[in-house]
Amino acid sequence: DTEVTQTPKHLVMGMTNKKSLKCEQHMGHRAMYWYKQKAKKPPELMFVYSYEKLSINESVPSRFSPECPNSSLLNLHLHALQPEDSALYLCASSHMSNRARYRGQFFGPGTRLTVL
Amino acid sequence: GIQVEQSPPDLILQEGANSTLRCNFSDSVNNLQWFHQNPWGQLINLFYIPSGTKQNGRLSATTVATERYSLLYISSSQTTDSGVYFCAATQNFVFGPGTRLSVLP
Repeated sequence: DTEVTQTPKHLVMGMTNKKSLKCEQHMGHRAMYWYKQKAKKPPELMFVYSYEKLSINESVPSRFSPECPNSSLLNLHLHALQPEDSALYLCASSHMSNRARYRGQFFGPGTRLTVL
Repeated sequence: GIQVEQSPPDLILQEGANSTLRCNFSDSVNNLQWFHQNPWGQLINLFYIPSGTKQNGRLSATTVATERYSLLYISSSQTTDSGVYFCAATQNFVFGPGTRLSVLP
């Protein structure tokens, strides 16, 4: 299995809602990532998990809360978002970048989020 | 941190034409990747190419790490090649701004 899956594909939420984005991979990767992509811009890193532990947080507001329940799953919990948080949220995974078998990051199809 | 530049920013081709996309990076990288983002947003992994040359069908890529650039060649372009092409130093989590390619029938 060489695929990263994400659910849901689309999400519309109000500013008072709580929702979660989910990401799953079965490639044996021990690094997982959340990126945010605004229209006509490249993806921007939000969080990195290494061996299920948060290793990088790119100064993301606390209304975004990541969680890595096990080596295959990555969640992004959303609460009290703002309309400017509307974007494509991409999950990726890879082998650890300091390992010889690192072959780059593999991305899921993304969740397109709209905050009303 | 590392800066990644791409050229051209936009490219319009007639179906069947060939093209070359360029990626320059400001410092040495060990982990250059090329992606194609299709109109639905999916980032498709084209090449992991820290150095050397690789080919996959109509696509090929060359990275000259000592001169800090990488090239992506698309031959006999098809309308399905349309989208945005990103190069990225993924170990540093830095993407270039992308080249938006439109292939006309």
